[in-house]
Amino acid sequence: AQSVTQLGSHVSVSEGALVLLRCNYSSSVPPYLFWYVQYPNQGLQLLLKYTTGATLVKGINGFEAEFKKSETSFHLTKPSAHMSDAAEYFCAVTSSGYSTLTFGKGTMLLVSP
Amino acid sequence: NAGVTQTPKFQVLKTGQSMTLQCAQDMNHEYMSWYRQDPGMGLRLIHYSVGAGITDQGEVPNGYNVSRSTTEDFPLRLLSAAPSQTSVYFCASRDPLAGNIQYFGAGTRLSVL
Repeated sequence: AQSVTQLGSHVSVSEGALVLLRCNYSSSVPPYLFWYVQYPNQGLQLLLKYTTGATLVKGINGFEAEFKKSETSFHLTKPSAHMSDAAEYFCAVTSSGYSTLTFGKGTMLLVSP
Repeated sequence: NAGVTQTPKFQVLKTGQSMTLQCAQDMNHEYMSWYRQDPGMGLRLIHYSVGAGITDQGEVPNGYNVSRSTTEDFPLRLLSAAPSQTSVYFCASRDPLAGNIQYFGAGTRLSVL
């Protein structure tokens, strides 16, 4: 079985500050890891993904995430928050041969001026 | 390129009514899934399909039926709607041979009174 834990249902930052959204996963096989973003009243959009290879993954809108196998983590970061980054962020895990994707409960990012 | 299309976008039902949420994709993906999204719960898998004629239950299947007669379509049926089924429903499709990226529809917002 696989599971995802996102620490913090809400994270608040000031515009220009570092964004750090935490994700830890559990998987008995090598994982594929994803971050999705959901803007209000919209569907989910892929930010970035890790399957194999380089453990530091760069995505859209200046976000990046690092796969750390020893820590079973895949935290999402952005050096400088913009007001437009305010949204809900979901971490998800699957593996090769798995039929389903398991999501975390989501973290709402709030950005203040 | 339409991607994943869900209809309707909004629906209000009375308790006990039945309805079908439609989902269609034009990417020739074998894997399709239905999720429901509730505040603080993230996305929970209802049913999924790995190809035409093959479906399976997810985490929260009770009260929902699915069938998959074609690769393109994966409708979700509510047999007798209950207030507990008030939620936002998302359909998704993915290609496991292309990085396992999951593509989401825009969602159906359902209220059961």
